[in-house]
Amino acid sequence: GNSVTQMEGPVTLSEEAFLTINCTYTATGYPSLFWYVQYPGEGLQLLLKATKADDKGSNKGFEATYRKETTSFHLEKGSVQVSDSAVYFCALRGLQGGSEKLVFGKGTKLTVNP
Amino acid sequence: DAMVIQNPRYQVTQFGKPVTLSCSQTLNHNVMYWYQQKSSQAPKLLFHYYDKDFNNEADTPDNFQSRRPNTSFCFLDIRSPGLGDAAMYLCATSTRTSGYEQYFGPGTRLTVT
Repeated sequence: GNSVTQMEGPVTLSEEAFLTINCTYTATGYPSLFWYVQYPGEGLQLLLKATKADDKGSNKGFEATYRKETTSFHLEKGSVQVSDSAVYFCALRGLQGGSEKLVFGKGTKLTVNP
Repeated sequence: DAMVIQNPRYQVTQFGKPVTLSCSQTLNHNVMYWYQQKSSQAPKLLFHYYDKDFNNEADTPDNFQSRRPNTSFCFLDIRSPGLGDAAMYLCATSTRTSGYEQYFGPGTRLTVT
């Protein structure tokens, strides 16, 4: 079945540091891939997405590239801010039965210190 | 703005006392989902409606039920809440035309005393 493996946290960085959160997946075919962000006490917000190989999703300075050859969708940001402190979830949507459902990774908590 | 609304944001109930959480949406999406999220964990899908079709996850306890009276509203009923049901409950919506990208509400934090 489909699965997502996400880098374990927590991750603590200083402001302006470079961020990478690793995400790899197992799925048949070409799933759609997503990064969601959850700020404390809130619901999930879609951060970025990619629907086919070599697509790059980007938003708010975050980027992730859909790599079919390595089945990865790593999240990166060149210079993090305190306001980026949140939990980040990698997710995939498969193409087969139940394709309206998401499979989530376990989440990575990011703390950015001033 | 089109959005997903959950009420209440915080709900306290007593052990064994039935509780209902509500979700409404102005997106006109045909798919609505209910997730349970416990502290430091990923959201866990309880069930979802595809139009009027109800789809229960195999491991969702019978204690959890849902109703969708129309496109805009969906309810989560917990018939006899236990202490282990204390969690954040998230509602989400999607539609095929947007690639089933899910839009989440802010969640309802349930406390069981």
